Amino acid sequence: QLQLQESGPGLVKPSETLSLICTVSGASISDSVNYWAWIRQPPGKGQQWIGTISYSGTTYYNPSLKSRISISLDTSKNQFSLKLTSVTAADTAVYYCATDVRGNRWFDPWGQGTLVTVSS
Amino acid sequence: DIVMTQSPDSLAVSLGERATINCKSSQSVLSSSNNKNYLAWYQQKPGQPPKLLIYWASTRESGVPDRFSGSGSGTDFTLTISSLQAEDVAVYYCQQYYAIPYNFGQGTKLEIE
Repeated sequence: QLQLQESGPGLVKPSETLSLICTVSGASISDSVNYWAWIRQPPGKGQQWIGTISYSGTTYYNPSLKSRISISLDTSKNQFSLKLTSVTAADTAVYYCATDVRGNRWFDPWGQGTLVTVSS
Repeated sequence: DIVMTQSPDSLAVSLGERATINCKSSQSVLSSSNNKNYLAWYQQKPGQPPKLLIYWASTRESGVPDRFSGSGSGTDFTLTISSLQAEDVAVYYCQQYYAIPYNFGQGTKLEIE
């Protein structure tokens, strides 16, 4: 059964870099099947797609965040990661990692999510 | 960007009754190449991540009860729960995957009346 789990700091200072890791179990992230995504949900708001990475490392980013984000694979650990630079309070959100099913661009399953607060 | 707008923002329905949630996209998400609508629906219960219910606007994900159905084409879509059960209390989101960025609707909160 495919499962995903986010990990990383729950508090980041303004102007610093947010770094999160998603650990995948039940499948290999390098299998030429699924893509892997990051999605966030600000408090009380809807979801925002951040970006997706393919099994081969090709990335697709939300243009509104593109200048600040980087998504990468670590196949040795079966993990993928998100880095978001120059954070502000507007980046406070629950961050989810999710499976982009066979690159079809819908998402299932999702990790449980991790709340990241940007505050000094 | 394709903007997704759901209506209503919240909805209260009696147990056993029909619930209808609407989703409108700012431009068509129907592909002329394969005649498919690039629209998905998710259910999010409190404290849980979203769960995929429907993709291609009307294809039910494996394991999703058949009381959930999706319909519509082009820019107007509907999620229908034919007979509301207590466990269906949740926030429901639509998502377009026709073009980057893959935007979600703002959500519709479904409660029991």
